[in-house]
Amino acid sequence: DVKVTQSSRYLVKRTGEKVFLECVQDMDHENMFWYRQDPGLGLRLIYFSYDVKMKEKGDIPEGYSVSREKKERFSLILESASTNQTSMYLCASSIRQEAFFGQGTRLTVV
Amino acid sequence: EDKVVQSPLSLVVHEGDTVTLNCSYEVTNFRSLLWYKQEKKAPTFLFMLTSSGIEKKSGRLSSILDKKELFSILNITATQTGDSAIYLCAATGANTDKLIFGTGTRLQVFP
Repeated sequence: DVKVTQSSRYLVKRTGEKVFLECVQDMDHENMFWYRQDPGLGLRLIYFSYDVKMKEKGDIPEGYSVSREKKERFSLILESASTNQTSMYLCASSIRQEAFFGQGTRLTVV
Repeated sequence: EDKVVQSPLSLVVHEGDTVTLNCSYEVTNFRSLLWYKQEKKAPTFLFMLTSSGIEKKSGRLSSILDKKELFSILNITATQTGDSAIYLCAATGANTDKLIFGTGTRLQVFP
């Protein structure tokens, strides 16, 4: 059974903090993605990675960075969290276009 | 710019009704269209469509793609309260597995 695991379901952080969201997949997929989901806006792509140490910006990369040191792990980093980064964050991995999602991390920045 | 548009944004029906959800797309070198169902947690995969006119079916759910008119529909017959969810449509282009999502349709089914 395929599995994408995000490290936290809920997080509350203060403005200006550095935040790490971790995602691990056990399917040996090369592609991994970070999306954020906001009401009325759907899922928007932040960053994606096609291979270890390889990353590409998505549609809304500002304020975020990523790290992929190992194939199974894709980390999203908020360098200095701001209130407009309060959102649901979804990680996914894919093979042959079908994406498998983690359970999501609801991040609140206060 | 590539985009995917879903309609309606929200839908409220009674159990037993049939619903049709719409998804139109403009994607450079389109390759596939995918439907996902999202309840409280992670979106779960429903269908992937790559060819026009071939209906994909799973129980009470079915979907079809029209590559000439650039849209897809998702039909749910005899709806049940367990069908209540956000239904997401996404498209991919050539040489990439990047999914471009629409805003989703929130379906609520009442007894």
